[in-house]
Amino acid sequence: NAGVTQTPKFRVLKTGQSMTLLCAQDMNHEYMYWYRQDPGMGLRLIHYSVGEGTTAKGEVPDGYNVSRLKKQNFLLGLESAAPSQTSVYFCASSSRLARTDTQYFGPGTRLTVL
Amino acid sequence: ILNVEQSPQSLHVQEGDSTNFTCSFPSSNFYALHWYRWETAKSPEALFVMTLNGDEKKKGRISATLNTKEGYSYLYIKGSQPEDSATYLCALSGAGGTSYGKLTFGQGTILTVHP
Repeated sequence: NAGVTQTPKFRVLKTGQSMTLLCAQDMNHEYMYWYRQDPGMGLRLIHYSVGEGTTAKGEVPDGYNVSRLKKQNFLLGLESAAPSQTSVYFCASSSRLARTDTQYFGPGTRLTVL
Repeated sequence: ILNVEQSPQSLHVQEGDSTNFTCSFPSSNFYALHWYRWETAKSPEALFVMTLNGDEKKKGRISATLNTKEGYSYLYIKGSQPEDSATYLCALSGAGGTSYGKLTFGQGTILTVHP
């Protein structure tokens, strides 16, 4: 049981390049989330999904797109990377049936945009 | 947008010291309060979830209390050890099913325990 996994773990991009971060969970969770973590800012929600084929904007969605074609996968895309997107990105998932909304996190992807 | 504040931003203690830090939130908008521990290079890991005023939770040397009427939660660590060094995050979740499990996080308290 791997829980939540993220690919890749590290990436360096040049300004204007594109990339996709992959999140996979094997807990059959309905809800999935993408966060970014910056020093002194806590975790900020970028986009989230409440089920296969659905996505919604979070607190800081600009510059990112997402897709949830399969229940177990949630992809985060950067179409044209900017230095302001240098951050650590975390994916998380939770169960629709869990009363207390506990989220389970992946190990993070450290992205640097030069 | 919920405003979740944590203090202090960082804390340095000596091994064996007991310590505590605070999470503040709007008392009028509450469903559940979460504490997570995030060690460097690892995933944030859930410590506690509390929903009722007066709730107290304990896991080993770490405990937490909740006061929903005044809008705060305390996290206590008794006899801190170097392995307790981490960022401690608190988060608020909204009204159950209508919030789709979304959490609003505070900025975290970075704890460093010196041997």
